[in-house]
Amino acid sequence: ETGVTQTPRHLVMGMTNKKSLKCEQHLGHNAMYWYKQSAKKPLELMFVYNFKEQTENNSVPSRFSPECPNSSHLFLHLHTLQPEDSALYLCASSRAGSEADTQYFGPGTRLTVL
Amino acid sequence: DQQVKQNSPSLSVQEGRISILNCDYTNSMFDYFLWYKKYPAEGPTFLISISSIKDKNEDGRFTVFLNKSAKHLSLHIVPSQPGDSAVYFCAASGEGSARQLTFGSGTQLTVLP
Repeated sequence: ETGVTQTPRHLVMGMTNKKSLKCEQHLGHNAMYWYKQSAKKPLELMFVYNFKEQTENNSVPSRFSPECPNSSHLFLHLHTLQPEDSALYLCASSRAGSEADTQYFGPGTRLTVL
Repeated sequence: DQQVKQNSPSLSVQEGRISILNCDYTNSMFDYFLWYKKYPAEGPTFLISISSIKDKNEDGRFTVFLNKSAKHLSLHIVPSQPGDSAVYFCAASGEGSARQLTFGSGTQLTVLP
């Protein structure tokens, strides 16, 4: 079983659509993350959940709405996105509270907003 | 202002030779450093890490060196193989950043056969 899975792998949506990205981790971790990766830029942290509680929201526009129903699942709900939101969206998980801050990533969802 | 910088966007190395990827950081509160490798259409894969109490960590062909006084770390791959061709990201964390990872912008390594 792959450690961190993401669906869908590719998504094309219009600016008026509503869609959701899903992430699932099978590593027994208790922290989960959403990142955005745009071309030629560092990974940008969007949201952090520790033990299902959101602990970080790095000034992300409200058109991105995260949901963490349990420590294994993480969603990113999308609505009224803009073309500049087109990017690779990565989910990651880690064992929160440990000294080792190693995060393990999923394969990402390539999002295109038309 | 970027706290973790990878100043070389690309690097080409001959197969069998050593690849050296560099990373600089500015935040003196960082105490844990990692390298990730990313192939196209895949998520980053954890490669190797080092705590600030060490100056070297080795795992097979991969060695990470940390120079705290210079706020510099490097990843050495020897011998380099064509399958090592990927984008390499360095990342850092510390109490000052709530132990979240701060990433560099990546270096594309190409190993030529």
